[in-house]
Amino acid sequence: AQRVTQPEKLLSVFKGAPVELKCNYSYSGSPELFWYVQYSRQRLQLLLRHISRESIKGFTADLNKGETSFHLKKPFAQEEDSAMYYCALSPDAGKSTFGDGTTLTVKP
Amino acid sequence: GAGVSQSPRYKVAKRGQDVALRCDPISGHVSLFWYQQALGQGPEFLTYFQNEAQLDKSGLPSDRFFAERPEGSVSTLKIQRTQQEDSAVYLCASSSTGFSGNTIYFGEGSWLTVV
Repeated sequence: AQRVTQPEKLLSVFKGAPVELKCNYSYSGSPELFWYVQYSRQRLQLLLRHISRESIKGFTADLNKGETSFHLKKPFAQEEDSAMYYCALSPDAGKSTFGDGTTLTVKP
Repeated sequence: GAGVSQSPRYKVAKRGQDVALRCDPISGHVSLFWYQQALGQGPEFLTYFQNEAQLDKSGLPSDRFFAERPEGSVSTLKIQRTQQEDSAVYLCASSSTGFSGNTIYFGEGSWLTVV
């Protein structure tokens, strides 16, 4: 069975500090992994996916198959990064499995 | 054009009532998904359509839940004889193709409260 774990419900950092949101997954195959973000009063939207190896809004995420992790990182957090972040796993074109999310607060 | 549109945005139902939630995906999108999100949790998969075909309904929690997409565009999620545990946000999402890794676009959700 596939599972996504985000161990931190809440994460608070100061502006300019590095931030890392943790995500661990369990899946026997080679999954597609994603990070989604939901800003206050907005809809859930894709932030980045591992397959494209891109950096969006300064965020990056590296897939570590050995540790089955896909942590999201940003070297210098900004206040506008405050949001709910969800890690998700998609083994095929169908359903995605989401973690329970981490609420990031960036304090001024 | 517009993104994924869902209606109603908010619905209060008395226990035992039937409800219908509508999703208008982005025009031309092949894949359509329904998710249920309880308070404090991540979205949980309910069902998946590719055009009008319902390819996966493994996440529907009971036979009170039914989804359709008869013409491969608009979809309706119906919940019969609602129970308090059905209270959640119901999210619809669509993507342009049926390929893995394709960007999925979410609607704003329909907030259902069963009293």
